[in-house]
Amino acid sequence: DVKVTQSSRYLVKRTGEKVFLECVQDMDHENMFWYRQDPGLGLRLIYFSYDVKMKEKGDIPEGYSVSREKKERFSLILESASTNQTSMYLCASSLVGGGSEQYFGPGTRLTVT
Amino acid sequence: AQKVTQAQTEISVVEKEDVTLDCVYETRDTTYYLFWYKQPPSGELVFLIRRNSFDEQNEISGRYSWNFQKSTSSFNFTITASQVVDSAVYFCALSEEGYSTLTFGKGTMLLVSP
Repeated sequence: DVKVTQSSRYLVKRTGEKVFLECVQDMDHENMFWYRQDPGLGLRLIYFSYDVKMKEKGDIPEGYSVSREKKERFSLILESASTNQTSMYLCASSLVGGGSEQYFGPGTRLTVT
Repeated sequence: AQKVTQAQTEISVVEKEDVTLDCVYETRDTTYYLFWYKQPPSGELVFLIRRNSFDEQNEISGRYSWNFQKSTSSFNFTITASQVVDSAVYFCALSEEGYSTLTFGKGTMLLVSP
């Protein structure tokens, strides 16, 4: 059974803290993605990676960075968390190429206070 | 630029009613792919279907059916005889040939009451 896992379901952090969200997939997929989901805004792409150490900015990369040191693992980093980064964060993976469906993890609900 | 519009923000039905979720897309490409995902209250998006731009055949899977019409740039999703377990947010998405990223609509929340 295909699996994308995320390190936490719920996370509460303080403003200014450095936050790491981890995502692991066991499908040997080349592509991995980070989205944030907010009410009324749908899913917005933050960053994606198409190979180890490779990354591309999505629609809303400001305030975020990513790391992909191993094929199965993709980390989202909030260098200095702010309250406007309170959101649901979703990780996904897929095979390379247009038309490949993405498989999603369960999400991390991050609250920054 | 590509765009996906789901004009229905929220739909409420009573169990056993049929319901159609609308999806309208924009793309300049001739080769593209359309998707539907379901997000139940647990939060994890579940892939339902993929369609490529060259295949306009309607698809039926149990109580679910999809109507793809290139002439109106629409890819609508119908649930027949809805059930409480169908309550979820449904997302329509688009990707273009050669690109791995998806453009999502804002989603339609479906509430099915007993």
